[in-house]
Amino acid sequence: DQQVKQNSPSLSVQEGRISILNCDYTNSMFDYFLWYKKYPAEGPTFLISISSIKDKNEDGRFTVFLNKSAKHLSLHIVPSQPGDSAVYFCAASLMDSSYKLIFGSGTRLLVRP
Amino acid sequence: DAGITQSPRYKITETGRQVTLMCHQTWSHSYMFWYRQDLGHGLRLIYYSAAADITDKGEVPDGYVVSRSKTENFPLTLESATRSQTSVYFCASSEGRLQETQYFGPGTRLLVL
Repeated sequence: DQQVKQNSPSLSVQEGRISILNCDYTNSMFDYFLWYKKYPAEGPTFLISISSIKDKNEDGRFTVFLNKSAKHLSLHIVPSQPGDSAVYFCAASLMDSSYKLIFGSGTRLLVRP
Repeated sequence: DAGITQSPRYKITETGRQVTLMCHQTWSHSYMFWYRQDLGHGLRLIYYSAAADITDKGEVPDGYVVSRSKTENFPLTLESATRSQTSVYFCASSEGRLQETQYFGPGTRLLVL
């Protein structure tokens, strides 16, 4: 049973528009969440994170929102660029063992020029 | 080169053979990790290591062996490869402090015939 779920395997958006990637989790004890981005034939790279004491974290074009009551987080990319086309993984961890990440299955984002 | 490297990048082997995947990092990070990436599962933790000579199981350790005699190296051995171990394997490292980002290597694509 997956503790972190990304129910949309793929998403296609127009360049300049907003991309919204979603992630749900089942373990209410998770208290730190991350998004990683992965290009083909490369390893994942860290994008942005949020701890459970916050509900929003921004870094340039990327914003992560956390809704603890719904056990849901989302990544917003505004505006989307063709270079954002990649697979995005969300991950969760527990504060006392934050080195152990539980990953979702990923969402492939395609940004169309 | 600085960073985290994996070798080989591609490997084809046969069922029953022993295979060792290598991982090397130059940051002197305390923690190192092995993940496998499979379609529909995202990345799943196989083993991790908190320091030299300290290793522990992750989510899917069966069929794998690790060692860490030096801080910078963390080899993963498949003692008797099976077809279900066909996957992409990623090594990662981090300083291990709470909420510390993990840095991933480029991956090894393994095919077991």
